Amino acid sequence: LAKTTQPISMDSYEGQEVNITCSHNNIATNDYITWYQQFPSQGPRFIIQGYKTKVTNEVASLFIPADRKSSTLSLPRVSLSDTAVYYCLVGEGGGGNKLTFGTGTQLKVEL
Amino acid sequence: GAVVSQHPSRVICKSGTSVKIECRSLDFQATTMFWYRQFPKQSLMLMATSNEGSKATYEQGVEKDKFLINHASLTLSTLTVTSAHPEDSSFYICSARSGQYQETQYFGPGTRLLVL
Repeated sequence: LAKTTQPISMDSYEGQEVNITCSHNNIATNDYITWYQQFPSQGPRFIIQGYKTKVTNEVASLFIPADRKSSTLSLPRVSLSDTAVYYCLVGEGGGGNKLTFGTGTQLKVEL
Repeated sequence: GAVVSQHPSRVICKSGTSVKIECRSLDFQATTMFWYRQFPKQSLMLMATSNEGSKATYEQGVEKDKFLINHASLTLSTLTVTSAHPEDSSFYICSARSGQYQETQYFGPGTRLLVL
């Protein structure tokens, strides 16, 4: 299983764009990259998933360079409610097989 | 996205009793479900992989006789914590793999277990 490395914490202000980068140097050919958001005492919530290049949905964008050894989750115009822990995970078959959670990034958004 | 539910959301029990937690995939069939445990301020730790119609696969260090997993149907997996002790108090989270959505894992809301 590919190991991921993320910053432990990040601070931002409302209305700012937040970019969280994740390193996964030993990502395998079949691995997808998936990001989850977790609030205290709740299960992780799926945010976005990608294999290469750029993926965008209604809440975030995911940028993956050609070598796929890293990825960046971009949250546009964050609000206080985006304060949470964000996990980057790499897994075969789009995360369908078992996933190994790293420490995640604690994002704190202030006024 | 796919919806996964857990029941109960929280449970308090006495030491030595057994507790069953249910995990259901509400709008899709899940041949594989996963059980995680999360202690305060820590990340999720995978306990076991539950496969419909077969025995669960446990991660190293997880006692299979203590954490009984049953995946009797394509929409239901149960985790039974047998002879619970205070150190088993934790947040238990299940996830289900959905083949309809690019094989993504979707997580339940979690179950808070407190053993007195």
